[in-house]
Order: sequence, then structure tokens, then C-alpha cells
Amino acid sequence: AQSVSQHNHHVILSEAASLELGCNYSYGGTVNLFWYVQYPGQHLQLLLKYFSGDPLVKGIKGFEAEFIKSKFSFNLRKPSVQWSDTAEYFCAVRPRNKLVFGAGTILRVKS
Amino acid sequence: NAGVTQTPKFRVLKTGQSMTLLCAQDMNHEYMYWYRQDPGMGLRLIHYSVGEGTTAKGEVPDGYNVSRLKKQNFLLGLESAAPSQTSVYFCAGDSGLNTEAFFGQGTRLTVV
Repeated sequence: AQSVSQHNHHVILSEAASLELGCNYSYGGTVNLFWYVQYPGQHLQLLLKYFSGDPLVKGIKGFEAEFIKSKFSFNLRKPSVQWSDTAEYFCAVRPRNKLVFGAGTILRVKS
Repeated sequence: NAGVTQTPKFRVLKTGQSMTLLCAQDMNHEYMYWYRQDPGMGLRLIHYSVGEGTTAKGEVPDGYNVSRLKKQNFLLGLESAAPSQTSVYFCAGDSGLNTEAFFGQGTRLTVV
């Protein structure tokens, strides 16, 4: 069983709506946290990463994520989505020795 | 610098055939990973390596073997391919905690 859980497999939003994608993990100890995006027909692209420090992380294209240690969560947010944000989003967690991904969330933005 | 390079990019196998996928990196990564990507399943870790000469099982290791004889290369083998192994395979490498992973371009494998 995967130890990185993404709560929604499909999300459909209208343009300008706010986005929040959930990610929870079950690893203890020090972890690094990542969000990746995969646009249709393209390779993975890193959106943002958390190693330490400020738990609110800003990434590319207006995305941000908040690390809540007590909840083992790293949720991705964007205040206002665009049609071009249509893609699949993956949360990834790196405990000490490996990099593990969630099952992904497919986001469709309606124009 | 080539980064992380996978070969081949595409392959069609018949059931029961064997093949080896090569991942080569020139970034001095200590850690290397093999994943398979299937719709609705995300990237699932097949095997990984924490250094030259080491390998470890990931989430879905059955039907695959790996070797890391040299630090720069991580090989993924399918001894007897099955249609369930039809997938896109990605290799990645990183240098440990607090570093970013770099990915190969992927290998699309079809087993008929």
C-alpha cells in the first residue's frame, strides 16, 4: 500500500476558482516533500519543494503548499486556477532512503 | 552534462521475452530509483538503490530485478515479460535528503 495519500483522484473546477489538493503521508522522522505536475503528453515538472524552515512554500506558476507536521500533510493550493492548469498533480515524499509518490490528482479546469 | 538518460525510449515485447532497461546518470547521484507509471496509480516505486552495489525493493518489485554495479548505472530487468508489465517506466536519481530528484525521459514498454 502506498504511504502517500492524495485525497481526490479527479477534480473539476471553473476558471478563477480556488484550488486545494490534499496530500498526507505516513512516514515518521525527517522528510522532504514535493509537488510535481504532469501536463498532457509531457514529463514531470517540479512545482515546489519543502526541505525545512517556513512551512508555507511558494512554487512556480502561482502555486503554494503548506506543511503541517502534526497532520502529516502537505496540501497544494492556488488562489485562482487557469485553463492551462489542466494537468495531473503528484505529491511525493522523501523519507531517509527513498522517494515515494502518491497516486495523483487529475485536475480539469473548465474555461 | 546529459543528466539522467534512459534507454530505450520505446519497446514492444512478446509475453515471456526478457529485456533490460538502462538508466545512466552523470550527476554523481548516490540514490537511484525505478518507477512505473500507470493511469490512476501514480508513480509506483519498483526498486531503488542507496549507493553503488546496493539495491532494495520498492512497492511493486515482483517480476523485476535490478543491479547497480557502477554508481552511474542502474539497470532494470524483466526476466519473463507479462502484459501486466505494460507501462511507462521512469528512472530518477538524487543525492539524498534536501536534494531534488532528476528524472529520465521515460520508456514506454508494451508487452503483447
